[in-house]
Amino acid sequence: DTAVSQTPKYLVTQMGNDKSIKCEQNLGHDTMYWYKQDSKKFLKIMFSYNNKELIINETVPNRFSPKSPDKAHLNLHINSLELGDSAVYFCASSQGTSIDNEQFFGPGTRLTVL
Amino acid sequence: AQTVTQSQPEMSVQEAETVTLSCTYDTSESDYYLFWYKQPPSRQMILVIRQEAYKQQNATENRFSVNFQKAAKSFSLKISDSQLGDAAMYFCARMNRDDKIIFGKGTRLHILP
Repeated sequence: DTAVSQTPKYLVTQMGNDKSIKCEQNLGHDTMYWYKQDSKKFLKIMFSYNNKELIINETVPNRFSPKSPDKAHLNLHINSLELGDSAVYFCASSQGTSIDNEQFFGPGTRLTVL
Repeated sequence: AQTVTQSQPEMSVQEAETVTLSCTYDTSESDYYLFWYKQPPSRQMILVIRQEAYKQQNATENRFSVNFQKAAKSFSLKISDSQLGDAAMYFCARMNRDDKIIFGKGTRLHILP
């Protein structure tokens, strides 16, 4: 069974569109994250939710809005997509926010904005 | 299953000394990326070093270098002249050309003053 899953795996869309990426974890974890990996493979944290509450919100454009309907899901909605949004987006989860809690990563979603 | 294994959950090193973090992986691909990321308590992921599998030369970034043994599927990270700021969780990761990334479980590095 996949611990952290993301859908879709690939997403190709036009500039200006609105799209969502979904993440689900079946590990019973309290904390979930979104990371963005750019073309140079730098992996930057965007958001973190603990028990459906936002706890980390790095400097990310307002066009990005995370939504956590329950502890097992953290979706990423992006409005008015721009070329620079093209990247691989990774979801992750952990049991609690402490750095000592092992973090599990999803397989990634490659977003291509044309 | 394609995996990344970091066999050392925790390591300690004296400040100014050298430490090596081990990583082995499994893949059926011939072309892929390998990374070491540093993760401080903020959960940010800082790219320390990366290696493309087709390159035989070991990557080096200042005090950080890797020993990439493709046949053995080994990718260890050497940190020279360890500094207190190096203390963090270190993740080894492999990424195939289809962008699927697999992370190891991490190694917590402690720097002893």
